[in-house]
Amino acid sequence: QVQLVQSGAEVKKPGASVKVSCKASGYTFTAYNIHWVRQAPGQGLEWMGWINPNSGGTNYAQKFQGRVTMTWDTSISTAYMELSRLRSDDTAVYYCARSEIVLMVHDYWGQGTLVTVSS
Amino acid sequence: DIQMTQSPSTLSASVGDRVTITCRASQSISSWLAWYQQKRGKAPKLLIYRASTLESGVPSRFSGSGSGTEFTLTISSLQPDDFATYYCQQYNSYPFTFGPGTKVDIK
Repeated sequence: QVQLVQSGAEVKKPGASVKVSCKASGYTFTAYNIHWVRQAPGQGLEWMGWINPNSGGTNYAQKFQGRVTMTWDTSISTAYMELSRLRSDDTAVYYCARSEIVLMVHDYWGQGTLVTVSS
Repeated sequence: DIQMTQSPSTLSASVGDRVTITCRASQSISSWLAWYQQKRGKAPKLLIYRASTLESGVPSRFSGSGSGTEFTLTISSLQPDDFATYYCQQYNSYPFTFGPGTKVDIK
């Protein structure tokens, strides 16, 4: 069965970086995009961008351009999202989610990773 | 960016009720709209995509309609498992954007 398993919770200081991993199983990793979506405490969902593990193509939301980097390692079917220059308002649960290459809906999601930014 | 709005923000209903949630886009998104259900502390779950296509395994009491800028999610007979928050999302143009959510709680 399709599974996306994310790395554990992180606590970071303002100005630091965080790298969250998302390990895929149950499907061909390179045949689907991986998206990243975040949710601040008690708030709604915010799409951050996607990466295509086959072509290496990416699309980042303008809001995160220059601070976010999405990468992957095909050998271990894992995608990564690194966010730099963290601020307190980056405190959120970060989700990875899969989509088909063309149909960009998120049909499987990871369990979420809480990133807390606090001094 | 395309702005998504939802109404109502909160909806109180009883088991067996017919429930309708509206989602509006600030410009036309054709039928590139998805609906997700999220329960507290859990990841969202895809219910409907392309405005009206039911995701595999989703109960048929859920249905979606609309195109352009106005969309609806209908639950024909609310079940105990349906009390959750529902989000619409447009994937017509970047950045993909979500509505603010509609919380369906017990009346």
